[in-house]
Amino acid sequence: SQQGEEDPQALSIQEGENATMNCSYKTSINNLQWYRQNSGRGLVHLILIRSNEREKHSGRLRVTLDTSKKSSSLLITASRAADTASYFCATDGTGGFKTIFGAGTRLFVKA
Amino acid sequence: DSGVTQTPKHLITATGQRVTLRCSPRSGDLSVYWYQQSLDQGLQFLIQYYNGEERAKGNILERFSAQQFPDLHSELNLSSLELGDSALYFCASSVAGLGFDEQFFGPGTRLTVL
Repeated sequence: SQQGEEDPQALSIQEGENATMNCSYKTSINNLQWYRQNSGRGLVHLILIRSNEREKHSGRLRVTLDTSKKSSSLLITASRAADTASYFCATDGTGGFKTIFGAGTRLFVKA
Repeated sequence: DSGVTQTPKHLITATGQRVTLRCSPRSGDLSVYWYQQSLDQGLQFLIQYYNGEERAKGNILERFSAQQFPDLHSELNLSSLELGDSALYFCASSVAGLGFDEQFFGPGTRLTVL
């Protein structure tokens, strides 16, 4: 089974609204990453947060990490139609080599 | 453009056949990863190579094999193909092949098994 589980599976919002996606994982991690995938294309790295960090920002993206709850959230503020994509969290898993992706959240932003 | 190239873009073949997917990593990246993405299984990690050596293995079937060559390009071989092998196959590369590396994904190869 996947190490990371995103929630919700799908999210539909209006342009300008904020979108929040959550990721839960099972084992201890050193790092957690978020990726974005436009339909049928390769994934693109968005942001990495280390296990000793609690929050990180990059432009309109805000990521939080709660290692005690083994969860992370990705907030996209002031969403745009161009943010429509699937968003995946990825953890480094046991041993530090393998990157394990969750099933993803499909975000649809209506113009 | 991530700098990772994959060929072919599309592949249509029949059950029982064998195909080879090719990946060239970004310049300077030593590690290559292979993933399978299907509608019902999500993104599945198959295998990772670092500088020619296998580093990590995921849910790769015995019918599948891969290798990374001295020039760092990689090939994924899929044999005795089944209908369920139809999927998007992505290659990604990273500098050091560590769990916190940013991975750069290629555009994928869409495999259709008829």
